Amino acid sequence: DAKTTQPPSMDCAEGRAANLPCNHSTISGNEYVYWYRQIHSQGPQYIIHGLKNNETNEMASLIITEDRKSSTLILPHATLRDTAVYYCIVRGSGTYKYIFGTGTRLKVLA
Amino acid sequence: DADVTQTPRNRITKTGKRIMLECSQTKGHDRMYWYRQDPGLGLRLIYYSFDVKDINKGEISDGYSVSRQAQAKFSLSLESAIPNQTALYFCATSDLAFGGTDTQYFGPGTRLTVL
Repeated sequence: DAKTTQPPSMDCAEGRAANLPCNHSTISGNEYVYWYRQIHSQGPQYIIHGLKNNETNEMASLIITEDRKSSTLILPHATLRDTAVYYCIVRGSGTYKYIFGTGTRLKVLA
Repeated sequence: DADVTQTPRNRITKTGKRIMLECSQTKGHDRMYWYRQDPGLGLRLIYYSFDVKDINKGEISDGYSVSRQAQAKFSLSLESAIPNQTALYFCATSDLAFGGTDTQYFGPGTRLTVL
């Protein structure tokens, strides 16, 4: 599975969009980009995943560059409850394995 | 996710004791997993099971054993607990989707302290 690089921490003002970047320059053609978050010591929460196209659901949007070497998770209107560690994970179809790195610690400020 | 439950949520035990952590799910998924998380680190896979008769070791299985009692239940045992097994333990479930992806859904975790 491709390695990912994320900034260790970010701040975002409440009500503004939070844009969390992830670099995955060694991603291969059949590998998906997944995003999870972990609030305090709770279980990781699935947010979104994608292969090539941009994806949107009720929680967030995922923007994947055309060369697929990087992606951005967008929380359109961040709230204090979005304060968490966000993990970007790249994994191939047909594989069970998730490699959790250290993620980005997002702090939403009032 | 309320569909995946773990018991107990917190446990303090002593070195050498046998401990069992339990996981149940109502998602109807075939695949179940056990992870541990140490402070400031990502999750590491201990064991995984793709169905009731299929059990596999993960990257850090030494000192642990598992039992898949039913599709919905997957237990993790520490036969003789030691202090460096103090950690957060998470259970997860998934099902193979069209296209070969499977999205894992995690339980709330068990905080285990071994004195």
